[in-house]
Amino acid sequence: KAGVTQTPRYLIKTRGQQVTLSCSPISGHRSVSWYQQTPGQGLQFLFEYFSETQRNKGNFPGRFSGRQFSNSRSEMNVSTLELGDSALYLCASSLGPTDTQYFGPGTRLTVL
Amino acid sequence: QKEVEQDPGPLSVPEGAIVSLNCTYSNSAFQYFMWYRQYSRKGPELLMYTYSSGNKEDGRFTAQVDKSSKYISLFIRDSQPSDSATYLCAMRGNFGNEKLTFGTGTRLTIIP
Repeated sequence: KAGVTQTPRYLIKTRGQQVTLSCSPISGHRSVSWYQQTPGQGLQFLFEYFSETQRNKGNFPGRFSGRQFSNSRSEMNVSTLELGDSALYLCASSLGPTDTQYFGPGTRLTVL
Repeated sequence: QKEVEQDPGPLSVPEGAIVSLNCTYSNSAFQYFMWYRQYSRKGPELLMYTYSSGNKEDGRFTAQVDKSSKYISLFIRDSQPSDSATYLCAMRGNFGNEKLTFGTGTRLTIIP
């Protein structure tokens, strides 16, 4: 069974631009969560989607948004990029909200 | 103060040694406790999953949870160079409080 896939794997943007990251969950998984990982803060929860509905949201500004499609694929968008948004963005999928989360390889975003 | 505290290390031990990794937490609502292993440039992979207090063993790995002290541990016996990675503790509550909260991770190096 294929794992969680994330595209693109690497991205370089400049301040003020916006970016969209994509996540394809494991087949049959309906829950997708997004995390930001930085050396100083570790893994921080961004948001979680289940059946196209956002169930939980972390403490990030409104510049960070996401959505989930009917096939469970998810996208997250960051608008007006700041230098501090440089991080590894990880997507995790699970059968449901209380099930084990399996992580993708992440998208490494660099903001210049 | 963070909800989950984890010593970032780095921790270096000789091959064959017993490794002890620990996390403390402050939220008494946490009921499910996990340990993830993350290799460089990869997403985290689940190692151990424990509910409430007690011990769980899987091969060379043992997870311990002491809810009264709000303290969890991961022990690695007969450590191997392939165990060199960053180890992340994670925890969550029950339904309605399912978002995962992670420690910042401990970087472990096993010296051959």
